[in-house]
Amino acid sequence: DTAVSQTPKYLVTQMGNDKSIKCEQNLGHDTMYWYKQDSKKFLKIMFSYNNKELIINETVPNRFSPKSPDKAHLNLHINSLELGDSAVYFCASSHEGGVLTYGYTFGSGTRLTVV
Amino acid sequence: AQSVTQLGSHVSVSEGALVLLRCNYSSSVPPYLFWYVQYPNQGLQLLLKYTTGATLVKGINGFEAEFKKSETSFHLTKPSAHMSDAAEYFCAVNTNAGKSTFGDGTTLTVKP
Repeated sequence: DTAVSQTPKYLVTQMGNDKSIKCEQNLGHDTMYWYKQDSKKFLKIMFSYNNKELIINETVPNRFSPKSPDKAHLNLHINSLELGDSAVYFCASSHEGGVLTYGYTFGSGTRLTVV
Repeated sequence: AQSVTQLGSHVSVSEGALVLLRCNYSSSVPPYLFWYVQYPNQGLQLLLKYTTGATLVKGINGFEAEFKKSETSFHLTKPSAHMSDAAEYFCAVNTNAGKSTFGDGTTLTVKP
């Protein structure tokens, strides 16, 4: 009955590979997000989708491509992985406009290590 | 534009002592303010939030925070620290429907 679930939890891969991280929420929220947390624990938003529509696209290399097949799922595909992509990636969700009053519900994160 | 500054990247307290984690924000419009907690190897969990109304807000695990507009602050406090409070704490501000801006985080260590 996990609210926001991400898979995999850990991902170790070589430079140049392509990988995907999946996220699903069962809260009925309209909006989903991807955040990146670096080794210093800084959190930075990457993307946001509302009802399958991209609404936030921060300055992220185009090697990163989010995909939302439906409002309960938001996946992140990364092409040509680089060492600097190593981080923890968090999926989050909220009601449309609800991030103002209710905040986010976060997944437990995917620790990506590029070697 | 909005921003958040958390003063003190590391705070260490003894068990039973007062916890005070500082957060100052910058916002051109009335802010919505949040504190999140992140335990090791876990995602962020909402501790408490200020939207409108009472400026002293209570959250989970005995934490509370007070919104002070004149000081542009939203400091997090807990009267008596417990070992289980050791974690990373993030202050966040939101003035847009789309996203929150997070502070850099404060690591709280609780000594026995």
